[in-house]
Amino acid sequence: NAGVTQTPKFQVLKTGQSMTLQCAQDMNHNSMYWYRQDPGMGLRLIYYSASEGTTDKGEVPNGYNVSRLNKREFSLRLESAAPSQTSVYFCASLPRQGIGYTFGSGTRLTVV
Amino acid sequence: GQQVMQIPQYQHVQEGEDFTTYCNSSTTLSNIQWYKQRPGGHPVFLIQLVKSGEVKKQKRLTFQFGEAKKNSSLHITATQTTDVGTYFCAGPGTGGFKTIFGAGTRLFVKA
Repeated sequence: NAGVTQTPKFQVLKTGQSMTLQCAQDMNHNSMYWYRQDPGMGLRLIYYSASEGTTDKGEVPNGYNVSRLNKREFSLRLESAAPSQTSVYFCASLPRQGIGYTFGSGTRLTVV
Repeated sequence: GQQVMQIPQYQHVQEGEDFTTYCNSSTTLSNIQWYKQRPGGHPVFLIQLVKSGEVKKQKRLTFQFGEAKKNSSLHITATQTTDVGTYFCAGPGTGGFKTIFGAGTRLFVKA
């Protein structure tokens, strides 16, 4: 059972470049989430999708877009990367009963 | 806005010593969750507490939810090197956000 799979694991971008972070879960969870983690600031919600076909902004959505492609996949896109987006990005999913996120292994993104 | 604060930010202990991290919310929580993140890893769900005054144990880990449901603690008895990492608490958010995470307490264990 793979759980939540994220790609890529590492990425270096130049300012202004775009990229898409991929996430897929095989646990048949309805809800999926994108968090960013910065030192000393815990996990902050970027976007989430409560169910297939819906997406909503989280705490820090500026500079990002998302797509819930189907029940399994939830991608995060940076249209024009900025150094402030240097962070570790985690995708997560939540079972219907709402107890306990399952996180992917993360994408370590550096924007230079 | 809603805040979930954790103290201490980090703690160094000698292997075998006990460790406690505290979580305080600015609002009453319907539940609280705890996660562990190993260095370089991803957060892993440990437990959820729901009831006022609830205490749950997982081997050497003891989790408590305060009577007012605004605070919680995680206590590790006789720490081991395998306990190193960052421990996060998390509670339901308001304003449409699903969950608010504390900043975490990083535990260092010296053998």
